[in-house]
Amino acid sequence: QLQLQESGPGLVKPSETLSLTCTVSGGSISGSSHYWDWIRQSPGKGLEYIGYIYSTGGTYYIASLQSRVSISVDLSNNQFSLTLASVTAADTAVYYCALRGTYTAPFDYWGQGTLVTVSS
Amino acid sequence: SYEVTQTVSVSVALGQTARITCVRNYIGSEGVHWYQQKPGQAPVVVMYRDFNRPSGIPERFSGSYSGNTATLTISRAQAGDEADYYCQVWDSSTAGVLFGGGTKLTVL
Repeated sequence: QLQLQESGPGLVKPSETLSLTCTVSGGSISGSSHYWDWIRQSPGKGLEYIGYIYSTGGTYYIASLQSRVSISVDLSNNQFSLTLASVTAADTAVYYCALRGTYTAPFDYWGQGTLVTVSS
Repeated sequence: SYEVTQTVSVSVALGQTARITCVRNYIGSEGVHWYQQKPGQAPVVVMYRDFNRPSGIPERFSGSYSGNTATLTISRAQAGDEADYYCQVWDSSTAGVLFGGGTKLTVL
């Protein structure tokens, strides 16, 4: 049974870079054909999809964040990461990492989520 | 651009049937997925590809699809079904993922 766990700073200053890591346990990232995703949820709001990295290294980001976001994978540590540059208060949210088996599959596995607050 | 729309809130009497809808502004062949999210928790899949129920999800939950509208039906609603429900689709125009805005289900 795969388990995902987000980690990273809970407070980031405006204009700085948000960096989060998702550690996968119960299975190996390398050699698996999965989509590794990031999703966020602003306080009291709905789910917003951020993007993914595929097992081949291909990535996709939503248009509104494309200029600021990057998703990468660290096979040796069984982790994948999210970086979001030049953050503002609008980036304050609970950030979830998630996993799906195929392009059109649902997100079967989720991390518990981590709250990141952007504030000086 | 593709959009999916959900009713903001639905109320249902205890033991009655709740129906939550997800309307796409396009006709797509890909299925709709449904998630249940309780306060402070990550979402959980309760229905995938329109009408497929994951193991562990009660048979009271069912899904259907007609035209550009997907419906999640919760029969014999229980207090524990109170949650936010999100539909999710695959946006073939951008190769991305779309979530509906969510529906807050209240069991009275």
